[in-house]
Amino acid sequence: GQQLNQSPQSMFIQEGEDVSMNCTSSSIFNTWLWYKQDPGEGPVLLIALYKAGELTSNGRLTAQFGITRKDSFLNISASIPSDVGIYFCAGQLWQGGSEKLVFGKGTKLTVNP
Amino acid sequence: DGGITQSPKYLFRKEGQNVTLSCEQNLNHDAMYWYRQDPGQGLRLIYYSQIVNDFQKGDIAEGYSVSREKKESFPLTVTSAQKNPTAFYLCASSPSTGELFFGEGSRLTVL
Repeated sequence: GQQLNQSPQSMFIQEGEDVSMNCTSSSIFNTWLWYKQDPGEGPVLLIALYKAGELTSNGRLTAQFGITRKDSFLNISASIPSDVGIYFCAGQLWQGGSEKLVFGKGTKLTVNP
Repeated sequence: DGGITQSPKYLFRKEGQNVTLSCEQNLNHDAMYWYRQDPGQGLRLIYYSQIVNDFQKGDIAEGYSVSREKKESFPLTVTSAQKNPTAFYLCASSPSTGELFFGEGSRLTVL
């Protein structure tokens, strides 16, 4: 089945540093989504990417959909303590006549003040 | 405000009991989903429904059941057949464009 390989699994950084994480797959996806999950809460959608090569920013967040539609990266600039959480990538594709969303296993981010 | 409401947020169950988790949305989304999350794991799909009165099994449907009698509601029952039910359960809905919007989750603990 489809798999998303998300890396790194965890990151420990100092406040103010930039962060980069990525997801790769052998499958081609129609849409790529990035979510953030705070402890004990549901994931919140950060950025949605629809076109190959698309580069989208949301404040300090920047994400790009790979040109082959098989990968994506998320960058966070000038990290702050509230960036702490788990970041998930998710790829959407059509399979068997319905939409299927595949999630990566997440990148756990810790920001030291 | 529009959104997805899950209840209860915390639930304790004795072994052998069925429990039902509620999920209600007022976003007018056709599709709704249930995911299970275990520590250090990604999200695993239990059941999904793309339209009222219809639903499909996800990757880990055994021991779970759902119903979709109304567009707004998609309750999940964790039955006694689920051997390891302690987990964080997430409900989501999506519009036609496909992005998932999640509720705040329900944490089920089996005593």
